[in-house]
Formats: sequence, structure tokens, C-alpha cells
Amino acid sequence: AQSVTQLDSQVPVFEEAPVELRCNYSSSVSVYLFWYVQYPNQGLQLLLKYLSGSTLVKGINGFEAEFNKSQTSFHLRKPSVHISDTAEYFCAVSGGGYQKVTFGTGTKLQVIP
Amino acid sequence: DAGVIQSPRHEVTEMGQEVTLRCKPISGHDYLFWYRQTMMRGLELLIYFNNNVPIDDSGMPEDRFSAKMPNASFSTLKIQPSEPRDSAVYFCASSTAPNYGYTFGSGTRLTVV
Repeated sequence: AQSVTQLDSQVPVFEEAPVELRCNYSSSVSVYLFWYVQYPNQGLQLLLKYLSGSTLVKGINGFEAEFNKSQTSFHLRKPSVHISDTAEYFCAVSGGGYQKVTFGTGTKLQVIP
Repeated sequence: DAGVIQSPRHEVTEMGQEVTLRCKPISGHDYLFWYRQTMMRGLELLIYFNNNVPIDDSGMPEDRFSAKMPNASFSTLKIQPSEPRDSAVYFCASSTAPNYGYTFGSGTRLTVV
């Protein structure tokens, strides 16, 4: 079985400050990891994904995430946030074979002017 | 590609009425997923299809909910009869595999009064 934990339900941060959104996962097999962003009144949009290879993954809008197998983490980072980054961010995990994706409960990022 | 298309965007209906939500997946995506999102329960997977065949419907909350996929380009989620607690945003998503990145539609906001 696989699961994903997003410990922070809300993260306030000032504009132009760095941010890290935390994600920890558990899986009995090799994993694929994802981050999605949901802007108000919109669907989820894929931000970035880790399938294999380099543990540092770069996504859209200046976000990046690092896969850490020993700590079973996949934290999302951005060095300088903008007002437009205000949204809810979902971490997700899937395993090998044809296991479907499991989503976390989401973290609301609030960028303060 | 126009992405995953859902209709209607908003639906307001009276308790006891039948509601039908529609989804057109991305061409070539063999997997289609229906999700429900609420403040209380977050993002819930209701059912998913592979090549038009339902694979896992364990998330369908009650017999009042049913989903069909008559062909590769169309799926419906039906609620009959609807109840106020069904009020939520319903998302459709499609993918080339269940453990790969999903493309979400913009959702249908359902309000049952």
C-alpha cells in the first residue's frame, strides 16, 4: 500500500521569500512522485514529476523538488515566491506496475504582499 | 489538444433530481478517473476506467452514484436521486497509465439545494 503525508495544511510566506512545502510518502515498491497545483476555481495542474534519474526535478513556474529516498520525502521548493503562486499544492505518489496515484490532503500556500 | 473537457461548469439542482456530469478525455488517454473534492473530505477517487471498462469503483459512495463510459471519448457520472450532501466539485482526469501524471478537467461545481 502507498500513502502520502503533507504535514502543513497552510503555509503563509511573504512575497519574494523562499518556500518549502513538505511531502513524505510510504510505498512498498519503487515510486513515482508528483506535485500538482490547484488555483482557485480550477482543476489540478501537474507541476512536476519524478519517475527516475536525477533526484532534483525542475517544474513549471520556477518550482523544483528533490527526491530523498532515505528520508522518503519529496519536498517542493521555490527560491522566491510571487503573489500568483497563491494556490493549493498536492503531493501524490504511485508505485510500480499499474497502481493508481494516491493524493495527499494538500497544502495551501498563501503569499503575503 | 483542448485538454479534458467537463460540462457543465456549474450545476444547481433540487434535492431528489437526477444529475448528469459529462467528461471528454484527451484523445489517446486510455485511463479516465472521476474525483470528488470537498472541504471536509478533500480529493476522493470515485471510479476509474481503462479502455472504457470500469476497473475500480470502490470509491463510489452509494448506489445513487453511477458512471459509464460508452466510448473512448465520453464518460458520464450520474447521481439519482441527488442529495444536499452530494454538493461538491467533481473532477474528471485522464492519463496514459494509472501510475503516471494525470490531466484534470476544470471540474463541475454541483450544488444540491
